[in-house]
Amino acid sequence: AQTVTQSQPEMSVQEAETVTLSCTYDTSESDYYLFWYKQPPSRQMILVIRQEAYKQQNATENRFSVNFQKAAKSFSLKISDSQLGDAAMYFCAYGGGGADGLTFGKGTHLIIQP
Amino acid sequence: EAQVTQNPRYLITVTGKKLTVTCSQNMNHEYMSWYRQDPGLGLRQIYYSMNVEVTDKGDVPEGYKVSRKEKRNFPLILESPSPNQTSLYFCASSLTGHFGNTIYFGEGSWLTVV
Repeated sequence: AQTVTQSQPEMSVQEAETVTLSCTYDTSESDYYLFWYKQPPSRQMILVIRQEAYKQQNATENRFSVNFQKAAKSFSLKISDSQLGDAAMYFCAYGGGGADGLTFGKGTHLIIQP
Repeated sequence: EAQVTQNPRYLITVTGKKLTVTCSQNMNHEYMSWYRQDPGLGLRQIYYSMNVEVTDKGDVPEGYKVSRKEKRNFPLILESPSPNQTSLYFCASSLTGHFGNTIYFGEGSWLTVV
């Protein structure tokens, strides 16, 4: 079974600075997808970024980028120029080749200090 | 507008009183699933459905039932709710079970069992 580990229960960063959230995963599959979801206080699940394992290029969405290290099974999220609206819980998730669903990490609570 | 609609959004119920959380999507998606979110545990899949009349257990199916009689609907049934089923529940859908497809989440249903 796949596992996803987020080792940072909580992170804090000053507004306008850069922060990196860590995620590692364990799988024996070669074809899979990795995701970062943002969950603000409204509890809505918002897709931040998606990475396809067979693509070596790291995904980027505006101020959000990932560092995908397939051999190390690492998938960190970098948020540049942090904004107050970035404050949320962030979940790393794995989606493999089977029909079962996403496997989520336990989440990292990101605090933005003004 | 593409959406996944869950009802009720908030419910307080008593132990043993059967309840159903409905989930409906308007995108003609084949794949639907239910997750529960608990503090410190992230989201965990309860059940999923590949298509009409095709359902299967996720990671935490105990105490839950589902049915998929129509493509658009995937209700979650708690036959005899217990306090340990107090949680935030999410329904999700996608075109197929392949993670290359966009996953749409409902807004969540807060369930409290007393």
